[in-house]
Amino acid sequence: EADIYQTPRYLVIGTGKKITLECSQTMGHDKMYWYQQDPGMELHLIHYSYGVNSTEKGDLSSESTVSRIRTEHFPLTLESARPSHTSQYLCASSAAGTGVRYEQYFGPGTRLTVT
Amino acid sequence: KQEVTQIPAALSVPEGENLVLNCSFTDSAIYNLQWFRQDPGKGLTSLLLIQSSQREQTSGRLNASLDKSSGRSTLYIAASQPGDSATYLCAVRPGTDKLIFGTGTRLQVFP
Repeated sequence: EADIYQTPRYLVIGTGKKITLECSQTMGHDKMYWYQQDPGMELHLIHYSYGVNSTEKGDLSSESTVSRIRTEHFPLTLESARPSHTSQYLCASSAAGTGVRYEQYFGPGTRLTVT
Repeated sequence: KQEVTQIPAALSVPEGENLVLNCSFTDSAIYNLQWFRQDPGKGLTSLLLIQSSQREQTSGRLNASLDKSSGRSTLYIAASQPGDSATYLCAVRPGTDKLIFGTGTRLQVFP
């Protein structure tokens, strides 16, 4: 079944650790996105990608980095986690090209807590 | 700069009521508009997508309308149920790249 997967779902980690949040999709989509959402707050786009080897910064400045080596995989990395990085991180994808609907689909999210 | 506003911010209704959630946007030049549902601590579930050339879309008890010229969309939920309790988010796509999200309407339907 076509879907978007995020691992881990929950992560509690100490300050200064390096972490990678995984996102994979089996939708066959070219475009992928990372959003950050604090509890009860709006979503902020932090990174997006048009396809393999394409990465762009979003509207909200973030200390994280992303890579897109494979179409289906879009991991997000924090080199040195800080308490200010505590948030929910949501991955999404959408199709691209002429005539497509550009409907965006989301993964279940990763809730990160940095102590 | 495109801005998306949702009213009301929160809504509490008894089961069985028909209700309307409102979304307004400042720039009518959009590619499409998408309504999502988000349960606490979870990701977003796409409910309905309306292309800029369309006026409405329906799925089950949900109906979404779009008036691009006035910068408005409404999500109509018929015969609400406790299982409809969630946050409802409206998002517009100005071009083909990104979505601009509203701040959401938190809905509670009590038995």
